[in-house]
Amino acid sequence: EAQVTQNPRYLITVTGKKLTVTCSQNMNHEYMSWYRQDPGLGLRQIYYSMNVEVTDKGDVPEGYKVSRKEKRNFPLILESPSPNQTSLYFCASSSRLGSSYNEQFFGPGTRLTVL
Amino acid sequence: ILNVEQSPQSLHVQEGDSTNFTCSFPSSNFYALHWYRWETAKSPEALFVMTLNGDEKKKGRISATLNTKEGYSYLYIKGSQPEDSATYLCAFLMNYGGSQGNLIFGKGTKLSVKP
Repeated sequence: EAQVTQNPRYLITVTGKKLTVTCSQNMNHEYMSWYRQDPGLGLRQIYYSMNVEVTDKGDVPEGYKVSRKEKRNFPLILESPSPNQTSLYFCASSSRLGSSYNEQFFGPGTRLTVL
Repeated sequence: ILNVEQSPQSLHVQEGDSTNFTCSFPSSNFYALHWYRWETAKSPEALFVMTLNGDEKKKGRISATLNTKEGYSYLYIKGSQPEDSATYLCAFLMNYGGSQGNLIFGKGTKLSVKP
């Protein structure tokens, strides 16, 4: 089944404790992206990757890191999480974002709470 | 900072009503416009990706139009059903110095359809 998976789905952690949220897709998509969703602010892009070893900042990259060593995986790293990173996070992928027929497929989301 | 505006913020209609909402985006450096449907407790699902001025797309009772010169897109739902209740998001993809990966989302229009 074609899908985007994220792990963990739920995480409660403490300030400063490094964590990684994994994202994997099995559709051979070139493009992958991370978003956070906060009430009243909508979906905001954190980082995106156009292809392997090519990553770029979105609108809210501060406090996050990403890597794209393989096509299928795009982990999101919080080196020193803070309470303002408490949010719902989505990973998404697309074969070629700008093309008419290539929409994004979203993962199930990761709810992160930083105490 | 680029702005993508959606209106109205929320909409309550009766089953059988037809409805429409608006997405406004910058009219310069346009690359693509996405529409997504987001049900509560689920992940966003793509409805349409539109790239050409004058584009019209249709999926069942839902259709969308695009005007890139004036920077707006309309989403129409004909004969709304309770299962259409969701938040509808649009996202603007800018042609940005050769990179087209930064997707900017509007805050969405929340549709509630009463039986």
